[in-house]
Amino acid sequence: AQSVTQPDIHITVSEGASLELRCNYSYGATPYLFWYVQSPGQGLQLLLKYFSGDTLVQGIKGFEAEFKRSQSSFNLRKPSVHWSDAAEYFCAVGRIMDTGRRALTFGSGTRLQVQP
Amino acid sequence: DVKVTQSSRYLVKRTGEKVFLECVQDMDHENMFWYRQDPGLGLRLIYFSYDVKMKEKGDIPEGYSVSREKKERFSLILESASTNQTSMYLCASSPGTGDQPQHFGDGTRLSIL
Repeated sequence: AQSVTQPDIHITVSEGASLELRCNYSYGATPYLFWYVQSPGQGLQLLLKYFSGDTLVQGIKGFEAEFKRSQSSFNLRKPSVHWSDAAEYFCAVGRIMDTGRRALTFGSGTRLQVQP
Repeated sequence: DVKVTQSSRYLVKRTGEKVFLECVQDMDHENMFWYRQDPGLGLRLIYFSYDVKMKEKGDIPEGYSVSREKKERFSLILESASTNQTSMYLCASSPGTGDQPQHFGDGTRLSIL
């Protein structure tokens, strides 16, 4: 079965510092991978997605992620964090349901705190 | 922009009540999803629907049912609410066969007393 592991429950970085959030997935075929962000009291917003092609994917708000098949990883990065990036971040992998339709399996999330 | 609207931000109900959570999307998406979000567990899929009157169980369907009578509306039903169903519930929609990213509502925080 597909699964997603986000090993860091909580990360604190200083404003202006670089950021890397880890994501490891388990999936037999080429995965569809996503990163979402959730600000307090809000729904989830898509940051970026990987379906195929270039393994370095650019997203919104200055985020990028790199797909590494050999490591089954899809880590999210940002070179310089802003205070407004404080939120919870979710990695997700697409999966095929019994009907042949796709749904998502989410990781447990990483909460990012940004220090001034 | 796609808009997914959940009818209530906060809801308080009593044990044993039948509870309806409503979700409406305005982009003619084929697929709609209901998730439950709990701290440390991420989002878990309860049910999804890929067409009117069509549904498929997700990972935690027990105690829940769904209804999709119109394409834009997807309802989650707690047949007899229990305290362990206190949670944040998120609705999402996506087009096509589900390959495309999902668009989420702002969530309903449900408390069962």
